[in-house]
Amino acid sequence: GAGVSQSPRYKVAKRGQDVALRCDPISGHVSLFWYQQALGQGPEFLTYFQNEAQLDKSGLPSDRFFAERPEGSVSTLKIQRTQQEDSAVYLCASSLGKTGTRLNEKLFFGSGTQLSVL
Amino acid sequence: ELKVEQNPLFLSMQEGKNYTIYCNYSTTSDRLYWYRQDPGKSLESLFVLLSNGAVKQEGRLMASLDTKARLSTLHITAAVHDLSATYFCAVEETSGSRLTFGEGTQLTVNP
Repeated sequence: GAGVSQSPRYKVAKRGQDVALRCDPISGHVSLFWYQQALGQGPEFLTYFQNEAQLDKSGLPSDRFFAERPEGSVSTLKIQRTQQEDSAVYLCASSLGKTGTRLNEKLFFGSGTQLSVL
Repeated sequence: ELKVEQNPLFLSMQEGKNYTIYCNYSTTSDRLYWYRQDPGKSLESLFVLLSNGAVKQEGRLMASLDTKARLSTLHITAAVHDLSATYFCAVEETSGSRLTFGEGTQLTVNP
């Protein structure tokens, strides 16, 4: 498919477990974002990559959250020692544009990974 | 810190009626986006508003932006059931990367 693909679609973790969430952006897209969407809320920014460079990680809620995009395409969001408050849908979005251009004008979101921490 | 507020948060309306959703934001920005989200699905881009006075229309939805008032509206004309969804506005920060979203307006259109 031509869209942003995220896996797994659902993830159930026991408190304290580490999880890894994957995002396959649209081929050729330079910019990649991670957003966290709690139940009944709007998405909240976590981090932004331009190619392999993580240009903004100011939205990551704690040092248990780590994101990477080593080859400038696939990205992984890792959460260590998960807590119940980490339960949310994690959305990935990609864009052909980059900072300084209108990158949000053509921003495509994936369907998200729903993480439940028990 | 940029804050984005939508109202109402919940809207139940009858088919054929008109209504407006409001989106207020707290700091200067001239780029605002509207998205639709169906349950369990991702965000679908509806409108991109890039300047003061911008107005965009698609079908029964019309969006406008007043950057001086820091206000955007999403107007629904003659609602139909298919419009039932959650609608988010999002404001782009001056850095030009991250979006700050409102809480969303959950719209239910009843027959």
